[in-house]
Amino acid sequence: DAGVTQSPTHLIKTRGQQVTLRCSPKSGHDTVSWYQQALGQGPQFIFQYYEEEERQRGNFPDRFSGHQFPNYSSELNVNALLLGDSALYLCASSGRQGQEGYDIPVFFEDYEQYFGPGTRLTVT
Amino acid sequence: TQLLEQSPQFLSIQEGENLTVYCNSSSVFSSLQWYRQEPGEGPVLLVTVVTGGEVKKLKRLTFQFGDARKDSSLHITAAQPGDTGLYLCAGAWDNNDMRFGAGTRLTVKP
Repeated sequence: DAGVTQSPTHLIKTRGQQVTLRCSPKSGHDTVSWYQQALGQGPQFIFQYYEEEERQRGNFPDRFSGHQFPNYSSELNVNALLLGDSALYLCASSGRQGQEGYDIPVFFEDYEQYFGPGTRLTVT
Repeated sequence: TQLLEQSPQFLSIQEGENLTVYCNSSSVFSSLQWYRQEPGEGPVLLVTVVTGGEVKKLKRLTFQFGDARKDSSLHITAAQPGDTGLYLCAGAWDNNDMRFGAGTRLTVKP
């Protein structure tokens, strides 16, 4: 059973460029969340996708956008890159598929998130 | 603004020692999770606590959720070098916001 996978592992971009990061969730999971982790900091929540829609968003500018595909995989896009965007970008998947009576997932209560290894983005 | 503070920021101990790290907020959590992250990897969930006063044990790790659900602690007994890593707490509030603390970086020396 494959866990959460992310690509690429490392990426170097220059200021002003655009970048797309990819995430495949753990088998059986339908919800994908994206986080930014700066060096020495904890992860900061960017947004969460469920049923191909952005369901929740953190305090990040519109330069950060995403997409979820019918197979539950997801992309994170960042436009007009800034030096401060250099960070480890983490994808986490979660879900409670198959649970009877389960409608909309409660955000984090009793809700296990599995993180991928991350994509290290360096903006020069 | 809902913030989590973790302390200490860094901790270096000898193998066999006990330690406690803390996670505090001025707001009441609806739930709180502890993760461990190793270099080059994503965080791995250790435990979720939901009920005030709740205590959960995972081998040598003991997690406690404060009665008022504003704080939590992680106690490790007889630490081993394999416990080395970044310990993160993540709290969720009733508005479904979720925040991570900056973490406690633990080093256990053999």
